[in-house]
Amino acid sequence: DQQVKQNSPSLSVQEGRISILNCDYTNSMFDYFLWYKKYPAEGPTFLISISSIKDKNEDGRFTVFLNKSAKHLSLHIVPSQPGDSAVYFCAASDAGGTSYGKLTFGQGTILTVHP
Amino acid sequence: GAGVSQSPSNKVTEKGKDVELRCDPISGHTALYWYRQRLGQGLEFLIYFQGNSAPDKSGLPSDRFSAERTGESVSTLTIQRTQQEDSAVYLCASSPQDREGTEAFFGQGTRLTVV
Repeated sequence: DQQVKQNSPSLSVQEGRISILNCDYTNSMFDYFLWYKKYPAEGPTFLISISSIKDKNEDGRFTVFLNKSAKHLSLHIVPSQPGDSAVYFCAASDAGGTSYGKLTFGQGTILTVHP
Repeated sequence: GAGVSQSPSNKVTEKGKDVELRCDPISGHTALYWYRQRLGQGLEFLIYFQGNSAPDKSGLPSDRFSAERTGESVSTLTIQRTQQEDSAVYLCASSPQDREGTEAFFGQGTRLTVV
């Protein structure tokens, strides 16, 4: 039972353009959402998060949008840079019920930004 | 060191043997998590330690898996009688405390191969 789904295994974008990574979830108890980036042979690194009381959170080139009614979130990277090429994981937690850090992850999307 | 440290980086073991994986969290971090990532899949929650509270073991896949943590320091994940399906990257993460804005920092992982 995949509670967090990233339906696009990969995404290819030209440098300078916008990258949009999508994520869907099924568990209505999830109230905290995060995006992590992972390079090969390294652990995931935190990018940005959003609480369910918000619909948008912005940090520099990264913006996360949350649509609770659709159980959908997305990560926008503008402008995309070659160094953004990595695997991006969407994650969610039932922070109010259990823990902020007990995360359910999606399968990941491989982003490739071409120069 | 400044980050979460895991050892060994790689471990190859024969089916049926026991293995022990080690995690040194960031000093002062009260929350510690173990995840695993099997090939082509997202990260899967295993166990969560928070201070002196009883650990949340709800993600452990079988009774062959166990983990300990001494106070707010080192944690070990033990897999007894390893099976081939245990092959995965085992990731440890720690965070200062369990609240919004204190996202988890991951180690580089231990790649376990059971042959």
